Amino acid sequence: GENVEQHPSTLSVQEGDSAVIKCTYSDSASNYFPWYKQELGKRPQLIIDIRSNVGEKKDQRIAVTLNKTAKHFSLHITETQPEDSAVYFCAASDSNYQLIWGAGTKLIIKP
Amino acid sequence: SQTIHQWPATLVQPVGSPLSLECTVEGTSNPNLYWYRQAAGRGLQLLFYSVGIGQISSEVPQNLSASRPQDRQFILSSKKLLLSDSGFYLCAWSSYDYGYTFGSGTRLTVV
Repeated sequence: GENVEQHPSTLSVQEGDSAVIKCTYSDSASNYFPWYKQELGKRPQLIIDIRSNVGEKKDQRIAVTLNKTAKHFSLHITETQPEDSAVYFCAASDSNYQLIWGAGTKLIIKP
Repeated sequence: SQTIHQWPATLVQPVGSPLSLECTVEGTSNPNLYWYRQAAGRGLQLLFYSVGIGQISSEVPQNLSASRPQDRQFILSSKKLLLSDSGFYLCAWSSYDYGYTFGSGTRLTVV
């Protein structure tokens, strides 16, 4: 079945710098890759997603890239701000459209 | 538009007491429904998912059970809570074309 690995588990960056979180997946049939942001004590919320027919997608300061050959996808956050501090989860769909989740990355923005 | 309701937000229960958490979805029909548990500082653990009324798949053998008595209602139950059942419980829904949308969560503390 599908397996998703996410790195790093913790990422600390200076405010204004960029942050990159990487995920790899095992099932080449996976075709949907969302990213979720979870603030402390809150629910995870979808921030950006990408489908396998697209290599890159951007929404303001957030972008996701997908490399189907290497089976990895990444979240890029530019010009980081204090409100970007949160836990970020990647996921990949399996053949039943269920999401398999990465373990999460705690992003810390240092002022 | 689709909305998901989950209650209660917070619950403190003694060991050995029963549990019932409810989740309802509006604005969609025949959604896939999920129950997740999240321990403090940890990732998302899938407990149960359902693709239709009365259809429940269990991912992790445990002290909990789930039921789907109506198309848009998903219930998580326990007959006797354990200390290890403490955590943040999240209900979610999806259709095959979209990512997951999570409810606001229930923070359960078993004392």
